[in-house]
Amino acid sequence: DIQMTQSPSSLSASVGGRVTITCRASQSISNYLNWYQQKPGTAPKLLMYAGSSLQSGVPSRFSGSGSGTDFTLTISSLQPEDFATYYCQQGYSDPRTFGQGTKLEIK
Amino acid sequence: QVQLVQSGAEVREPGASVKVSCKASGYTFSSYGITWVRQAPGQGLEWMGWISAYKGNTSYAQKFQGRVTMTTDKSTTTAYMELRSLRSDDTAVYYCAKVVVTAPSQYYYMDVWGKGTTVTVSS
Repeated sequence: DIQMTQSPSSLSASVGGRVTITCRASQSISNYLNWYQQKPGTAPKLLMYAGSSLQSGVPSRFSGSGSGTDFTLTISSLQPEDFATYYCQQGYSDPRTFGQGTKLEIK
Repeated sequence: QVQLVQSGAEVREPGASVKVSCKASGYTFSSYGITWVRQAPGQGLEWMGWISAYKGNTSYAQKFQGRVTMTTDKSTTTAYMELRSLRSDDTAVYYCAKVVVTAPSQYYYMDVWGKGTTVTVSS
């Protein structure tokens, strides 16, 4: 199975700030990498697929990059609604494993 | 609009089975897959497996092999996930999600999610 490791596990930032979350795969997954956002008590929401393709309706302050084993999710100009937990997921092969999550909190 | 409506919360004793349903609407059901993801209290997301609604092909995470069965009913556009021999650590919210697999690159992602079904395993 492909292991996905996110860092950091948690971070705090200010409204208007910029954050970067990293996701590392245990083997090369090309750009078969998805990002999801989850708020407490709700289902995850797709943000990005294929490493850097923004899902329809997702604000352009979210961006993704990377290929192979190392990927990043960047959120520029943080808004209050962005404080949530973020998960990466590899879409390369079954089982389509998730990272352990990164909790983004307000500073 | 595209939506997945899941069945209500369930409580089971250890050793029992549970079957969760996921009613799809607003899209061509047989053109996409359905995946099941669970989340134990305070924990992260765990991919359980997925089913192609077109052919009914399934793929399960090794952890659940032999205990889980995923099915679809195209006539009612409903997907089901049955988990047997329940243990206390199966207590979780179970989500279904619509799977997109693009052609020709085969990018796999879940673009629409149900609200989740809470399954509690307790004696």
